[in-house]
Amino acid sequence: QKEVEQNSGPLSVPEGAIASLNCTYSDRGSQSFFWYRQYSGKSPELIMSIYSNGDKEDGRFTAQLNKASQYVSLLIRDSQPSDSATYLCAVNLNIMDTGRRALTFGSGTRLQVQP
Amino acid sequence: GAVVSQHPSRVICKSGTSVKIECRSLDFQATTMFWYRQFPKQSLMLMATSNEGSKATYEQGVEKDKFLINHASLTLSTLTVTSAHPEDSSFYICSAARGDSSYNEQFFGPGTRLTVL
Repeated sequence: QKEVEQNSGPLSVPEGAIASLNCTYSDRGSQSFFWYRQYSGKSPELIMSIYSNGDKEDGRFTAQLNKASQYVSLLIRDSQPSDSATYLCAVNLNIMDTGRRALTFGSGTRLQVQP
Repeated sequence: GAVVSQHPSRVICKSGTSVKIECRSLDFQATTMFWYRQFPKQSLMLMATSNEGSKATYEQGVEKDKFLINHASLTLSTLTVTSAHPEDSSFYICSAARGDSSYNEQFFGPGTRLTVL
């Protein structure tokens, strides 16, 4: 089982629709969760961070966290073609046998918003 | 705020040469910086964690003698790829964390695309 798992997609939605991106993680002790957007050939850009169970909204973006289910999601309302990118879920995980925590990225979900 | 710069953005070098990449936090102090590598169509892989004034912590499988990291100040970390070979060709990205642990948000530089001929 991967430590941070995402569906690779592509997820295709029409312009104006809600895009729903999901992520599961393996470390029950994780406390910090992030969503990054990465355009092709560019570095990741932080969109949302979430630390507590529930929803966190920022503009068109809503992050949802359920620690009991080890699940974090990102909703994008009123999707625009400019939202087309790869969305990376990142979780602060315990690195095995080291006693350290580090940000671990999922493989990303490619989102395509159709005009 | 939270701007991270990286230089150079692109470098092409011959096999066997060394390449130095700089990462700077422009508007905040970063006690911790991170170096990632990303191969095409793959996710980011953490190479090492760089702490100001101390030795870097390398992830399993990353050769510390090949990838030299120096974090000389609270705003600058450098990665030197020594004796580069074609298999080192990749997208190298640094990030900087505000605050004193990796629990905090990390902000990424624009990346350096390294091509080794």
